[in-house]
Amino acid sequence: GNSVTQMEGPVTLSEEAFLTINCTYTATGYPSLFWYVQYPGEGLQLLLKATKADDKGSNKGFEATYRKETTSFHLEKGSVQVSDSAVYFCALRSNAGKSTFGDGTTLTVKP
Amino acid sequence: DTAVSQTPKYLVTQMGNDKSIKCEQNLGHDTMYWYKQDSKKFLKIMFSYNNKELIINETVPNRFSPKSPDKAHLNLHINSLELGDSAVYFCASSPGGMGGELFFGEGSRLTVL
Repeated sequence: GNSVTQMEGPVTLSEEAFLTINCTYTATGYPSLFWYVQYPGEGLQLLLKATKADDKGSNKGFEATYRKETTSFHLEKGSVQVSDSAVYFCALRSNAGKSTFGDGTTLTVKP
Repeated sequence: DTAVSQTPKYLVTQMGNDKSIKCEQNLGHDTMYWYKQDSKKFLKIMFSYNNKELIINETVPNRFSPKSPDKAHLNLHINSLELGDSAVYFCASSPGGMGGELFFGEGSRLTVL
């Protein structure tokens, strides 16, 4: 079956530090890839997505590139802020429309 | 207007009781889901409905029964609640197609005492 493996947390960074959260996947066919963010006490919301190989998704300073050759979709941000503290989920959606989520990575940004 | 709304937001109850969580979406999506998030934030799909028909039913105890009266609503009824049912339950919806992302509700935190 499909699976998503993302970097274990928690991750703690200082404000303005560079962020990378690794995500790799296993899937048949050509899935769409997503990063969702969950702020404290809220539901998940889409952060960015990419639907085909070499696509780059970007939003709020975050970026991720769909790398088919390495089956990866790593999340990056050049300069994190305290307000970026949240849980980040990597996910894929298969050709059949089924979504698979990673285990989530908790990010804490300190002033 | 809230796109995916679920009620109640908090639910505290005793073991053995029966409870329901309701979900409604006003996005016109065909597919709705229930997810369970445990204390470690792991997210696990429970059920998925497409146009009122059950299409995904993961390994979930029979005590959990989803009901979809129409494609905008998906309710979750839980019988004989157990301590291990304590979690946050999220409703979500999505449009058709592979590229469609999930739209989540704010969650319903269930605590079983």
